[in-house]
Amino acid sequence: SYELTQPPSVSVSPGQTARITCSGDAFPKKYAYWYQQKSGQAPVLVIYEDSKRPSGIPERFSGSTSGTVATLTLSGAQVEDEADFYCYTTDNSGNVVFGGGTKLTVL
Amino acid sequence: EVQLVESGGVLVQPGGSLRLSCEASGFTFTIYSMNWVRQAPGKGLEWVSYISSGSSTKYYADSVKGRFTISRDNAKNSLFLQMNSLRAEDTAVYYCARDNPPDVWGKGTTVTVS
Repeated sequence: SYELTQPPSVSVSPGQTARITCSGDAFPKKYAYWYQQKSGQAPVLVIYEDSKRPSGIPERFSGSTSGTVATLTLSGAQVEDEADFYCYTTDNSGNVVFGGGTKLTVL
Repeated sequence: EVQLVESGGVLVQPGGSLRLSCEASGFTFTIYSMNWVRQAPGKGLEWVSYISSGSSTKYYADSVKGRFTISRDNAKNSLFLQMNSLRAEDTAVYYCARDNPPDVWGKGTTVTVS
C-alpha cells in the first residue's frame, strides 16, 4: 500500500501563508484529501479531491498537487487555525492511508 | 443533525476482547460505507477498517487483520467493531467515520489495553 510523508511541523506568523506538503507515490494517480484536527476534537475534512473545499470551510484553505506532492495552503493563517493536519488517500485494494500528520503553529 | 456516537471503550487486559458500537442518526445510514479510525495517545490517525453499505466488502489494516471484525446492522443504524486478542498497542481513541473519504466523524471512544 501507499505511504504518505508529511513534515512533522510548520510554523508561521498570523497573516502569513502556511504550506503543508504530503508526498507519496499515490499522487497524482489518486486524489489527496486533507483533514484538520484541533486539540481534543475529531478530524474535519477541509480539502477533498486535491483542491475542492467542502461547504463551510473558509476560502483561505486551498489544495493542489504537483507530481507526487500534494500541498495544503493556508493563506493568511489565523491563530484559530492551529491544529494537526493529515493528508489521506486510498489505494486500489481499498486500503486507506493517512500521512503522519503536521502540527501547524500560528504565533 | 447528522451524528455518530461511539460507545464501548473501556480498560481491558492484554489478550482480552471488546466490542465497540457506533450509533448513527440524522442521515440514511443504509446508503453509506463506514470506517473505524483510531488514534493512539499523542500519535496520528490510523485507519482500522472499512465496510461497504451492504456489508459485502470489508477491509482491514494489516495491524488488526485476523483480530478485529467490522460489522453493521442497517436496521438499527449501527456499526460495530469486534476486537479480539487485544494488545497494548491497540490502546487508542477509536472513531467511527462515514463514507470514503470520511466526511462525518464521531467524538470517539477510548480503549485502553493494560
